[in-house]
Amino acid sequence: EAGVVQSPRYKIIEKKQPVAFWCNPISGHNTLYWYRQNLGQGPELLIRYENEEAVDDSQLPKDRFSAERLKGVDSTLKIQPAELGDSAVYLCASSSWTGRTDTQYFGPGTRLTVL
Amino acid sequence: KQEVTQIPAALSVPEGENLVLNCSFTDSAIYNLQWFRQDPGKGLTSLLLIQSSQREQTSGRLNASLDKSSGRSTLYIAASQPGDSATYLCAAGSQEYGNKLVFGAGTILRVKS
Repeated sequence: EAGVVQSPRYKIIEKKQPVAFWCNPISGHNTLYWYRQNLGQGPELLIRYENEEAVDDSQLPKDRFSAERLKGVDSTLKIQPAELGDSAVYLCASSSWTGRTDTQYFGPGTRLTVL
Repeated sequence: KQEVTQIPAALSVPEGENLVLNCSFTDSAIYNLQWFRQDPGKGLTSLLLIQSSQREQTSGRLNASLDKSSGRSTLYIAASQPGDSATYLCAAGSQEYGNKLVFGAGTILRVKS
């Protein structure tokens, strides 16, 4: 079974430019998460989707960040315009409730460097 | 607001040693407690998940315990190997469906051969 797929793996941009990250979750997983991981820190949740619906976006900086999950499968996270402080690894995860647990499975992440 | 702390921040041990990684959380009303492994440049791999009603979980050489009342979890690694070198993260799941995770900063483990 294929895992969570993310692209690109690395992205270097100048500040004020836009950038987008793509995530394809594990087939059949209805819950999708975007996390941001700063160097030396644990991941922090940005947004969680249940199918197409964003059910928790309380930590998403909505002035510059946006996300969508069309048709409840793939998802895109966008930053416009990027700032120096946005440099981090952006992780996508997916899960599916089994009736007992819903372990999250993570993709390899996109490492963003803003110059 | 849930806060998760991991001690030590880094650990270096010789191969074969048994070791314990510590995790503490401030809000005992958790849904579950998960331990993850992260290799450099890679995503997170789930190691063990302990439901709030459980006390421990075991997988191979790994054993994780949970004490909700004291807000603590430990990850025990037996007979450590160089391949165990990685960052270990614990995460507290909130008490709601959807399993919102709050992560600690991790413990960087190096096992020397």
